[in-house]
Amino acid sequence: DAGVIQSPRHEVTEMGQEVTLRCKPISGHNSLFWYRQTMMRGLELLIYFNNNVPIDDSGMPEDRFSAKMPNASFSTLKIQPSEPRDSAVYFCASSPTVGVNQPQHFGDGTRLSIL
Amino acid sequence: DQQVKQNSPSLSVQEGRISILNCDYTNSMFDYFLWYKKYPAEGPTFLISISSIKDKNEDGRFTVFLNKSAKHLSLHIVPSQPGDSAVYFCAASAWVSGNTPLVFGKGTRLSVIA
Repeated sequence: DAGVIQSPRHEVTEMGQEVTLRCKPISGHNSLFWYRQTMMRGLELLIYFNNNVPIDDSGMPEDRFSAKMPNASFSTLKIQPSEPRDSAVYFCASSPTVGVNQPQHFGDGTRLSIL
Repeated sequence: DQQVKQNSPSLSVQEGRISILNCDYTNSMFDYFLWYKKYPAEGPTFLISISSIKDKNEDGRFTVFLNKSAKHLSLHIVPSQPGDSAVYFCAASAWVSGNTPLVFGKGTRLSVIA
């Protein structure tokens, strides 16, 4: 079975540029989560969706960050404009049907470096 | 303020011995707890979970213990193997409406020495 697929695996860009991270959740999973991992703050939840609808975006650090889920099989996290402090590993995770405790399944992450 | 704390950033254990990883939490509403394992350049992988109605859950070499009164959980690995060397994250959630967000600790790096 295919797991959560993230692209690109690595992204290096100059500050001020727009960055788009992509995620394909596991088929049949109704919940999707975006996390950011840094040395200082560990794994932080940025935003999560249930059935393609954003439920909680309180973790999104600034208006420069936005996320969309146009359909059940695709989500994007966009940073515009990017800044050096956005450098981190960004993970996408998905989990099955709402209503029961289920573990989240993570992709392998996108390592983002803003120069 | 961290709601889930893993106070030991690293742990070294001899192969064959027991590894004990600890986690403390502050939010009494948490009722579902998980451990994830992470290798370099990979995403966290789900290892084992426990709900607050239990105090122990076992899966092969891995056992999670939950002490609700102390707001403490631990992961025991017996016997430890070199392949267990990874970063282990503790996570917790409060199940209110289903898939509530997980709150993660900062992780403990386990090194199993052959």
